[in-house]
Amino acid sequence: GAGVSQSPRYKVAKRGQDVALRCDPISGHVSLFWYQQALGQGPEFLTYFQNEAQLDKSGLPSDRFFAERPEGSVSTLKIQRTQQEDSAVYLCASSPLVKTYNEQFFGPGTRLTVL
Amino acid sequence: DAKTTQPNSMESNEEEPVHLPCNHSTISGTDYIHWYRQLPSQGPEYVIHGLTSNVNNRMASLAIAEDRKSSTLILHRATLRDAAVYYCILSAAGNKLTFGGGTRVLVKP
Repeated sequence: GAGVSQSPRYKVAKRGQDVALRCDPISGHVSLFWYQQALGQGPEFLTYFQNEAQLDKSGLPSDRFFAERPEGSVSTLKIQRTQQEDSAVYLCASSPLVKTYNEQFFGPGTRLTVL
Repeated sequence: DAKTTQPNSMESNEEEPVHLPCNHSTISGTDYIHWYRQLPSQGPEYVIHGLTSNVNNRMASLAIAEDRKSSTLILHRATLRDAAVYYCILSAAGNKLTFGGGTRVLVKP
């Protein structure tokens, strides 16, 4: 079946522009996670949704970062007034259930380059 | 989340086993031990997980120390496709994953 998809795969933005990154999780998956991966580093947690509820946004680096999942399926990560330090790969992952063990299924990521 | 310690890199010859160690001395009773790997230019993919007992699946085996303060991921016969960064992660069920630096595995033909 279809895995997690993300779009666009690559995004180049000028400093100060707003960007929106989309994640299509596996159908029926309840949990959705966003991670940020800087070059040469492991992924770092940004935020977590259970259905449409954003239960944890402790990893969002600033108030320029905003995520939503209004209908409990597709999610969008928005970054306002992009800065060069926002350049990274943004990964989305989904998982089917809550409170029992489930692996996270990752998408291919969106590589954001801020010039 | 509890911290894990892994070697930065390891090399193996193709068709030989690879043993990847992970130390996690501050593991809590509810922490699962997860292993994910990340191939170049791809998102991480699940490899295996365990709680207390050793585990086997089609990809690998996970050996967990009796005191749970360390574990070893075993790739039984490395192939070139197994060249990746392998991450050992602790977290409770359903929680976010806290990745460290991982171990970069190089497989030589």
